[in-house]
Amino acid sequence: EAQVTQNPRYLITVTGKKLTVTCSQNMNHEYMSWYRQDPGLGLRQIYYSMNVEVTDKGDVPEGYKVSRKEKRNFPLILESPSPNQTSLYFCASLTLNPGGAKDNEQFFGPGTRLTVL
Amino acid sequence: KQEVTQIPAALSVPEGENLVLNCSFTDSAIYNLQWFRQDPGKGLTSLLLIQSSQREQTSGRLNASLDKSSGRSTLYIAASQPGDSATYLCAVRESGGYQKVTFGTGTKLQVIP
Repeated sequence: EAQVTQNPRYLITVTGKKLTVTCSQNMNHEYMSWYRQDPGLGLRQIYYSMNVEVTDKGDVPEGYKVSRKEKRNFPLILESPSPNQTSLYFCASLTLNPGGAKDNEQFFGPGTRLTVL
Repeated sequence: KQEVTQIPAALSVPEGENLVLNCSFTDSAIYNLQWFRQDPGKGLTSLLLIQSSQREQTSGRLNASLDKSSGRSTLYIAASQPGDSATYLCAVRESGGYQKVTFGTGTKLQVIP
């Protein structure tokens, strides 16, 4: 089954304790992206990657790092989490070489709810 | 910088009504526009995707249109049902080498039985 998986789904942590949220897709997609969703602000793009070793900042990259060493994985790293990073995080992927209209769709993971105390 | 706006922010309609959700964007240099549905506390489900060269897409009771020159897209829902209650989001993917995606803030729809 084609899917985007995220782990963990829920995480409560404390300020300053480094954490990583993993994201993996099994569709051989080139493009992967991280978003955060906050009430009243909608989904905002944190980082995205066009392919292995190619990453770029989205609209809200401060406080986050990403890496793309393998095509299927795109982890989100919070080196020193702060309470303002409490949010719902989504990973997504899509192909940059569509064979048909539906291949242009962005597929989303189930979300990771992060609370930083 | 691309800005995407969805109006209204919330909408409540009786069951059976036809309704239109709006999405507007400021930069017409887009690759495509995608409509999603999100249920409370859940992930995003893709509904329809319109390429920049297309005018509309249909799936069942849903029809999405795109007017790129005026920076507008609409999602038409026919014969609404209580199960349609959710938040509807539009997302614009920019054209060009670095394809950022910008989401609207969504329209929260409630269909009353």
